[in-house]
Amino acid sequence: DTEVTQTPKHLVMGMTNKKSLKCEQHMGHRAMYWYKQKAKKPPELMFVYSYEKLSINESVPSRFSPECPNSSLLNLHLHALQPEDSALYLCASSRYRERGGDEQYFGPGTRLTVT
Amino acid sequence: AQSVAQPEDQVNVAEGNPLTVKCTYSVSGNPYLFWYVQYPNRGLQFLLKYITGDNLVKGSYGFEAEFNKSQTSFHLKKPSALVSDSALYFCAVRVFSGGYNKLIFGAGTRLAVHP
Repeated sequence: DTEVTQTPKHLVMGMTNKKSLKCEQHMGHRAMYWYKQKAKKPPELMFVYSYEKLSINESVPSRFSPECPNSSLLNLHLHALQPEDSALYLCASSRYRERGGDEQYFGPGTRLTVT
Repeated sequence: AQSVAQPEDQVNVAEGNPLTVKCTYSVSGNPYLFWYVQYPNRGLQFLLKYITGDNLVKGSYGFEAEFNKSQTSFHLKKPSALVSDSALYFCAVRVFSGGYNKLIFGAGTRLAVHP
């Protein structure tokens, strides 16, 4: 199974709402990632978890809060977002963070619209 | 600065003709190079990678890429294009920055295969 699943597929939220994005993989990967992708642009790295611990935060605003409850799950909690945060949010996983040659497997993404 | 460039925003090819999507890179040390494809409203799918060894790398769906160290290039190729190959293609390079490995994506090239 080389699948990364993400829920929901679409999310519309107001600037005062609190919502969460969920990502799941069952490949035994120990590194998981959150990316943000604007239309027709490449993905931008947000967070990296390695062995369920946050190892990289690419200076992401605190209105985005990641969580890794276990080795298969990754959440992204959203609060007080701005309209410019509207984007496709991609989750990815790889066997290990330290091994530079490992490819990442991406989920289908959550299309987020902030109104 | 470490970077990856895709000089073409769009490549147009007739079905059955060979295709090439260009990628050049600038990294210190030995490069780890990747190609990903993204279909509309989907996540990225891994196509192939170069870590070491043979300069010609074969990947999924009949794609291959040639690593050229002297030209610092990693162009994606396919002998005979299909309409279903129409998608957004990203070249990526693994860089070591700030104490950790990170994937940097090119801007992307839209491939349009016409019947």
